[in-house]
Amino acid sequence: EPEVTQTPSHQVTQMGQEVILRCVPISNHLYFYWYRQILGQKVEFLVSFYNNEISEKSEIFDDQFSVERPDGSNFTLKIRSTKLEDSAMYFCASSVVSYTQYFGPGTRLTVL
Amino acid sequence: EDKVVQSPLSLVVHEGDTVTLNCSYEVTNFRSLLWYKQEKKAPTFLFMLTSSGIEKKSGRLSSILDKKELFSILNITATQTGDSAVYLCAEIIQGAQKLVFGQGTRLTINP
Repeated sequence: EPEVTQTPSHQVTQMGQEVILRCVPISNHLYFYWYRQILGQKVEFLVSFYNNEISEKSEIFDDQFSVERPDGSNFTLKIRSTKLEDSAMYFCASSVVSYTQYFGPGTRLTVL
Repeated sequence: EDKVVQSPLSLVVHEGDTVTLNCSYEVTNFRSLLWYKQEKKAPTFLFMLTSSGIEKKSGRLSSILDKKELFSILNITATQTGDSAVYLCAEIIQGAQKLVFGQGTRLTINP
């Protein structure tokens, strides 16, 4: 069964460094998303991406964040100048239409 | 801001018991409500509910939506230790793409 994959599974970085989290959505899906979950808190929406552009973003998704679909299969989230509070589990998701979203296993980001 | 509230936050039962998990939502342009199971990492999709009163069923799991009272329930019958997980509900509104999640119910099934 097709699934969303994410790499790396765990990323440790120093505060102020840039990180790129990578996702391979399910191949026939058209909508792509990033969510994050800070330890012990709710899963929060960051951004959705459709037709090669951002279609919706949350207040969390400020200028520090960017997304890109550099080729036909990958979808990336870049965090410039990471902060301690960016430490969280980051989930990528994809969907055929913008309803049933399928999630990847997540990347645990630890900012020291 | 739209709010999704789940109850209870935590539930511990014995294998074989039946459990009911609750999810209430406050929304002006509701489209659908989704249930996910989160074990160690990724939330895995269980059900999507759009119409009131129509039960969705998959094995021992079932779910129903009440759009008048703005809530949904997830039932699990004859629970097994493998059902231990955090169960998340999320809403999606008309014209939007984001899922708004509740805080989850942590279900523990003891043998």
